[in-house]
Amino acid sequence: QQPVQSPQAVILREGEDAVINCSSSKALYSVHWYRQKHGEAPVFLMILLKGGEQKGHDKISASFNEKKQQSSLYLTASQLSYSGTYFCGTEIQAGANNLFFGTGTRLTVIP
Amino acid sequence: DVKVTQSSRYLVKRTGEKVFLECVQDMDHENMFWYRQDPGLGLRLIYFSYDVKMKEKGDIPEGYSVSREKKERFSLILESASTNQTSMYLCASTPGGAGAIYGYTFGSGTRLTVV
Repeated sequence: QQPVQSPQAVILREGEDAVINCSSSKALYSVHWYRQKHGEAPVFLMILLKGGEQKGHDKISASFNEKKQQSSLYLTASQLSYSGTYFCGTEIQAGANNLFFGTGTRLTVIP
Repeated sequence: DVKVTQSSRYLVKRTGEKVFLECVQDMDHENMFWYRQDPGLGLRLIYFSYDVKMKEKGDIPEGYSVSREKKERFSLILESASTNQTSMYLCASTPGGAGAIYGYTFGSGTRLTVV
């Protein structure tokens, strides 16, 4: 039930954009996105719910295509602070309360 | 802010030892989780708990057990540690009910090495 993330790694220059994809073989109720910096705990970014709207915060936004069981995370005009590993977590039913995480996408932003 | 505290940042144990990893959260969350994180495999769910004395198996429960005697504390137990249990262990919590509305709060992790 583990979702598949792509790409596995990406290197960007400051100011460039990136898209990280997350897909599941099962119908999804929600998709979570987290960022983990090296040596630190994963930090929650946002949740997208089935039937909900695209979310966004500052220059990071995400969409959820429930028909395709896919979610994409969009990082616009990347900053050095965006570097880290991004994980999607998927929930297959409301109230299941447990997530299945992807294997992560390592994002490196260079000056 | 919700705080999830894992008692040890680094642990080194010998094969066959019984190992206890402790996790405490301070925001009265119903749900608590134990994940292990390995390079290339992401986070994999070991066990989770919806309430005191309740536990559910995750994807990889073999070789592990858990205990939740108090709401704020969720312990992961390695009955007889083996080298393939060398990993980073992450604890997380979230409010209960419609839990999907809330993001997980993770602890800083315990890096366990079994020698």
